[in-house]
Amino acid sequence: NAGVMQNPRHLVRRRGQEARLRCSPMKGHSHVYWYRQLPEEGLKFMVYLQKENIIDESGMPKERFSAEFPKEGPSILRIQQVVRGDSAAYFCASSPTDTSGGVNTGELFFGEGSRLTVL
Amino acid sequence: GENVEQHPSTLSVQEGDSAVIKCTYSDSASNYFPWYKQELGKGPQLIIDIRSNVGEKKDQRIAVTLNKTAKHFSLHITETQPEDSAVYFCAASGYSSASKIIFGSGTRLSIRP
Repeated sequence: NAGVMQNPRHLVRRRGQEARLRCSPMKGHSHVYWYRQLPEEGLKFMVYLQKENIIDESGMPKERFSAEFPKEGPSILRIQQVVRGDSAAYFCASSPTDTSGGVNTGELFFGEGSRLTVL
Repeated sequence: GENVEQHPSTLSVQEGDSAVIKCTYSDSASNYFPWYKQELGKGPQLIIDIRSNVGEKKDQRIAVTLNKTAKHFSLHITETQPEDSAVYFCAASGYSSASKIIFGSGTRLSIRP
């Protein structure tokens, strides 16, 4: 059972370009989270999605950032018109559903991250 | 919303000694408290977790304690080894279909040989 797969692992963009980060959750997991981590800092919540639904996007900047988790394919975090302050590691995590209660267990399985550098 | 505070930010212990990391949380509705270990250049990995219906949980050299009244929980690592050197994060969330997991700021643990 493959883990959470993120790509690209490293991405370099110039200011004003677009960055697209992809995340394939673990097989059977229907909950996806995106977190941002600046160097030497903690993990800041951005967005929580289920298939075709955004459950909580309270951590997403109001402009330029968007996320989706379509019925088919990976979850995508999209950053438009990138600025230097967007340089960070972006981590995706997935979690399974409790088979007895049908709720999100909250146990996060993280990918290795995508490191965005904006020149 | 939930706020998680973690202390200390850095911790250095002699190999073989114990390490303790403490966290407090603000939302009394939180009932799931995981701990993650992050090695350099890698994603965080779950090492132990505790739910609010228990006060303590142990897994070999790692233990976690929870005090719901005081809203704090702690990670204890005994007989520390060099491979324990990493950044450790605590987190808190509610157990529901719409709960985000909020992380503490992290503790950089260094084990001195």
